[in-house]
Amino acid sequence: DSGVTQTPKHLITATGQRVTLRCSPRSGDLSVYWYQQSLDQGLQFLIQYYNGEERAKGNILERFSAQQFPDLHSELNLSSLELGDSALYFCASSPSRYTEAFFGQGTRLTVV
Amino acid sequence: DQQVKQNSPSLSVQEGRISILNCDYTNSMFDYFLWYKKYPAEGPTFLISISSIKDKNEDGRFTVFLNKSAKHLSLHIVPSQPGDSAVYFCAASLGWGMRFGAGTRLTVKP
Repeated sequence: DSGVTQTPKHLITATGQRVTLRCSPRSGDLSVYWYQQSLDQGLQFLIQYYNGEERAKGNILERFSAQQFPDLHSELNLSSLELGDSALYFCASSPSRYTEAFFGQGTRLTVV
Repeated sequence: DQQVKQNSPSLSVQEGRISILNCDYTNSMFDYFLWYKKYPAEGPTFLISISSIKDKNEDGRFTVFLNKSAKHLSLHIVPSQPGDSAVYFCAASLGWGMRFGAGTRLTVKP
């Protein structure tokens, strides 16, 4: 158990809908990352927050947004969903820069 | 975003032998590098890391080598064990924003 909690574990929704994925980082970790993994491919970096502020942005679509709240949990919002958005979405947390990140079990999103 | 590349999708080795997994990166500003292991239906788990000021870091059976001039890092596993069979990802960061390669599936045969 990494200490990073992601909910829900599975989500099935229709095209055009909007969903919110939630991540609770390890206790004390200030940094949260979001990644997308499609069809056993690599981990695509989406976005990183540190203590509530966005620190780095990857290939995140405009239809996607994220935020980190004062209690340090984070949410990833995916809107106008398309079939191609079906993937595993991972959250990871770390205490600071230049330290390893710990990953949650992921949320499997299926868009039908 | 192909800043981190793992050009070998798969690798098969015999138990007890050395496994060498390779990774190349394009951004010379990366200053922190990591290796993760991933089993199916689980999140990646951290294995070992190396700062850009070093060229080698060792932890038990795992050693990471960094060649900054070639923008190349490698993970050596000695001796390889069947339980090491998994997908291995390398990652690189500038302190913020950790980018991952596509992964290499390692199979260790008994």
